[in-house]
Amino acid sequence: GQNIDQPTEMTATEGAIVQINCTYQTSGFNGLFWYQQHAGEAPTFLSYNVLDGLEEKGRFSSFLSRSKGYSYLLLKELQMKDSASYLCGGGSTLGRLYFGRGTQLTVWP
Amino acid sequence: DAGITQSPRHKVTETGTPVTLRCHQTENHRYMYWYRQDPGHGLRLIHYSYGVKDTDKGEVSDGYSVSRSKTEDFLLTLESATSSQTSVYFCAISEQGANTEAFFGQGTRLTVV
Repeated sequence: GQNIDQPTEMTATEGAIVQINCTYQTSGFNGLFWYQQHAGEAPTFLSYNVLDGLEEKGRFSSFLSRSKGYSYLLLKELQMKDSASYLCGGGSTLGRLYFGRGTQLTVWP
Repeated sequence: DAGITQSPRHKVTETGTPVTLRCHQTENHRYMYWYRQDPGHGLRLIHYSYGVKDTDKGEVSDGYSVSRSKTEDFLLTLESATSSQTSVYFCAISEQGANTEAFFGQGTRLTVV
């Protein structure tokens, strides 16, 4: 939906920092969401950016550039429990909510 | 936790049979969504609703229909199930559509044999 692209897989080590990028087609989108999904579970909300810039929430931060159709999720001080799929999603003014294919993050000890 | 439940949680059905999945919410949220999730495809929007009796198609609506006769219930029907509809189905709710956080149900694993 709406050409939302993100890497399929990423790996990192415990304690490190990882950045997950997301690009999207800019027309019609209100803002960008990030969700976390552990295997076998439902997605859970992490962040929502509607204005350009960086939003920080504890170990997680999310950035948006509306003009470039670009967002990233930054995870600091990685922990084993951060191993999950991270979904980038965008919403339209019509209420539709689309997601990319998700980035599977594996955190190694 | 947001009050959203899906039923059934698991179902096995035969090709060609109709199947209805139910999403029930207690949050009085206006927007409700149905997604399917398959390996390599992420979450794909099937249909969504922006109010009672107000629904619209998503990315992969062929073979699916929906109904919303009251705020709390959003039904997804597979008119004649096919093996390609084997998937995990998620329902989501949102107070203001794509401008606010969406809450997801626990999912329904559907297998069509």
